[in-house]
Amino acid sequence: KNEVEQSPQNLTAQEGEFITINCSYSVGISALHWLQQHPGGGIVSLFMLSSGKKKHGRLIATINIQEKHSSLHITASHPRDSAVYICAVMVTDKLIFGTGTRLQVFP
Amino acid sequence: DAGITQSPRHKVTETGTPVTLRCHQTENHRYMYWYRQDPGHGLRLIHYSYGVKDTDKGEVSDGYSVSRSKTEDFLLTLESATSSQTSVYFCAIRAVTRSGNTIYFGEGSWLTVV
Repeated sequence: KNEVEQSPQNLTAQEGEFITINCSYSVGISALHWLQQHPGGGIVSLFMLSSGKKKHGRLIATINIQEKHSSLHITASHPRDSAVYICAVMVTDKLIFGTGTRLQVFP
Repeated sequence: DAGITQSPRHKVTETGTPVTLRCHQTENHRYMYWYRQDPGHGLRLIHYSYGVKDTDKGEVSDGYSVSRSKTEDFLLTLESATSSQTSVYFCAIRAVTRSGNTIYFGEGSWLTVV
């Protein structure tokens, strides 16, 4: 069993829909990161969370440390949000990654 | 982007040849990482460094070695490339700030071993 599990693996949405991507982990962590990877490879950090909730534009990330669960929400989704979203947890000095959620948003 | 550059960005090499990938940073961050990304596996840690000449193995370190002789450069070497090492390789840096850690990635190096 992977230490970091994401769901769903693939997600298709119509423009404007509310999107939720989930991440569960089984190890003790010091922080959780949400990353975005567009086709062509570049990986960008969206959020770093150690507790609570963060918001940046249409993106909201939450974490429940007791439940070992985090969610990434996208409000009013847009085709430019199409990408792979990756959850990663920091365990001591190392990041452990989920396998990613591929999101496609159609106009 | 923490001034991270990877080189080469694309390389095709033959089985059995040595290959070195370079990760260069301009901001003196202590922690540097090498990952490989393969379909169905996500990013997997090969080696990481927590300072000059201080390195440690990750989960997929077999067949790889690293060196960090100065803060700004972290080199990944495939001593004798195999087809199973065909992958996309990402360098990453952990920037420690007052609000926590931010991770920055290089653009990736596409390696094909034929």
